[in-house]
Amino acid sequence: GAVVSQHPSRVICKSGTSVKIECRSLDFQATTMFWYRQFPKQSLMLMATSNEGSKATYEQGVEKDKFLINHASLTLSTLTVTSAHPEDSSFYICSARRSGDNEQFFGPGTRLTVL
Amino acid sequence: GDSVTQMEGPVTLSEEAFLTINCTYTATGYPSLFWYVQYPGEGLQLLLKATKADDKGSNKGFEATYRKETTSFHLEKGSVQVSDSAVYFCALTLYNFNKFYFGSGTKLNVKP
Repeated sequence: GAVVSQHPSRVICKSGTSVKIECRSLDFQATTMFWYRQFPKQSLMLMATSNEGSKATYEQGVEKDKFLINHASLTLSTLTVTSAHPEDSSFYICSARRSGDNEQFFGPGTRLTVL
Repeated sequence: GDSVTQMEGPVTLSEEAFLTINCTYTATGYPSLFWYVQYPGEGLQLLLKATKADDKGSNKGFEATYRKETTSFHLEKGSVQVSDSAVYFCALTLYNFNKFYFGSGTKLNVKP
């Protein structure tokens, strides 16, 4: 149990387009989900905290108009990278915090490449 | 600020060798400490955790002890297997398991 999925696993897009990444908790409810970005050979950096039914909280330095987050239900959060540029190319990982015991479970990540 | 530092990899070992991956932390409060493992193409999986000083987390032959005096949480395994090849992340969280701070990850390669 406690599986988190991400879709797509890999996406390549042209500069200027928008890309949506989905994060789903498959067998548990998550009132809070988190979006991380992982640069090559670097740490996972928290981008934003997503709470179901309310606005996301963004970390300092993360552009909220560029990285749109929606947490529409207790099992789904989406990250939309708007007007993507090559510098947005990265590995994006979500996690979901299970309601009750607060343990976090991580998705497999989405590799975004912007040409 | 709060942060985690772990040894750079890759670490290459022969099967049945002893493994140590060093991890030290800086925290403003009293963190919980974690080791996560990431196998190729998969998400991060919790390997073990410790929530207070002197606690020892253990799982699948891996161990790590929360050392407050040295602010460390080193990962050890007595005899590694090829199947242990993966990237290992040390992490901490404060206050209700909210925000996580991750180390940069250490890639382990175990050769038969």
